[in-house]
Amino acid sequence: NAGVTQTPKFQVLKTGQSMTLQCAQDMNHNSMYWYRQDPGMGLRLIYYSASEGTTDKGEVPNGYNVSRLNKREFSLRLESAAPSQTSVYFCASRIGTGEFSGNTIYFGEGSWLTVV
Amino acid sequence: RKEVEQDPGPFNVPEGATVAFNCTYSNSASQSFFWYRQDCRKEPKLLMSVYSSGNEDGRFTAQLNRASQYISLLIRDSKLSDSATYLCVVTQSNTGKLIFGQGTTLQVKP
Repeated sequence: NAGVTQTPKFQVLKTGQSMTLQCAQDMNHNSMYWYRQDPGMGLRLIYYSASEGTTDKGEVPNGYNVSRLNKREFSLRLESAAPSQTSVYFCASRIGTGEFSGNTIYFGEGSWLTVV
Repeated sequence: RKEVEQDPGPFNVPEGATVAFNCTYSNSASQSFFWYRQDCRKEPKLLMSVYSSGNEDGRFTAQLNRASQYISLLIRDSKLSDSATYLCVVTQSNTGKLIFGQGTTLQVKP
């Protein structure tokens, strides 16, 4: 099993450019998440999808959009990148929805994004 | 106030020492609790779940105090390989959200 796969691993963008981070999981998980991690800030939730067809805002959604394309895939789009979006982005998934909250969370290896 | 708070440290301890971390959470509706470990430039990985009755896995012991709304992680006989950042994670059954603390950094010295 590949687990959670996210691409690209590294990307440099110019301010104002757009890009999409791709995430796919092969574990038949219902819930998927996008986090960003900045020094001293920990992991902050951008968007999440409790099940196929639903998405909800997290703590820091501004400047991002998401698409839950199907049960496997959950993409994160930056429409107009800003230097403040320089960060490490992690996609994650778990089998449960809200009522089955005791399940392990699996993370992708991270995407290092720099906006100049 | 953050929903989940941890002392960022760093905690610098010698090999063989016992070290404890606490994590406080603000939402009393929180249902599930975990400790994750994150190595430098790597993704977080599950260390252990935290059960109401407390649980132990080798040198690691996790405890939950619902009345005071905190969880703890105790590491006995620290090894150099324990050096990492330890993340407290709290889930909420009504939203499915996973909320992370900012992490506590542990450095174990020879």
